Amino acid sequence: AQSVAQPEDQVNVAEGNPLTVKCTYSVSGNPYLFWYVQYPNRGLQFLLKYITGDNLVKGSYGFEAEFNKSQTSFHLKKPSALVSDSALYFCAVRDRARTTDSWGKLQFGAGTQVVVTP
Amino acid sequence: DTEVTQTPKHLVMGMTNKKSLKCEQHMGHRAMYWYKQKAKKPPELMFVYSYEKLSINESVPSRFSPECPNSSLLNLHLHALQPEDSALYLCASSQVLANTQYFGPGTRLTVL
Repeated sequence: AQSVAQPEDQVNVAEGNPLTVKCTYSVSGNPYLFWYVQYPNRGLQFLLKYITGDNLVKGSYGFEAEFNKSQTSFHLKKPSALVSDSALYFCAVRDRARTTDSWGKLQFGAGTQVVVTP
Repeated sequence: DTEVTQTPKHLVMGMTNKKSLKCEQHMGHRAMYWYKQKAKKPPELMFVYSYEKLSINESVPSRFSPECPNSSLLNLHLHALQPEDSALYLCASSQVLANTQYFGPGTRLTVL
């Protein structure tokens, strides 16, 4: 079984301050991890993914995420938030193991609403 | 280019109507997905097609009927829907099953 937890329903940050959106996961094998962002009345936009290799992954729009295997976390970060970063952020996980029933399926977290104030 | 297009953008239908949602991609992707999303909630997987064959059906009611006429197109046929089916319907595609999924803008469906 695979699951994702985003412990914060909402994150509030002032423009120019660092932004962190938390994500922890659980899979039976090794994970593929993803971050997506959704602006109001829009589809999900892919930000970045961890497959293998360097634990620090850089993505679109200045976002990055750090894979931490021991803490089973994949937190999304941005050094300096913009008002335009205000949106709903989803972490997602997929098990690498082909033998699981969930192979091929993305498991999404509940989402974290980010509000960046000027 | 990672564009998935969906039509229509908005759809209002009565419970006795028959309508269809359309999704298209020209990225050469061989896996396509339908999701249902309620406001402020994560997307819920409905169907997955891999190489034009239905690969996953997440126990979706038969009033939703998917179709994949070719590798670029995915349809979702709707019939006798209920008001609780009102949601944003998202299409996604990936190079093959289990690769990174790219989403379309969605169709906002309202069932009266």
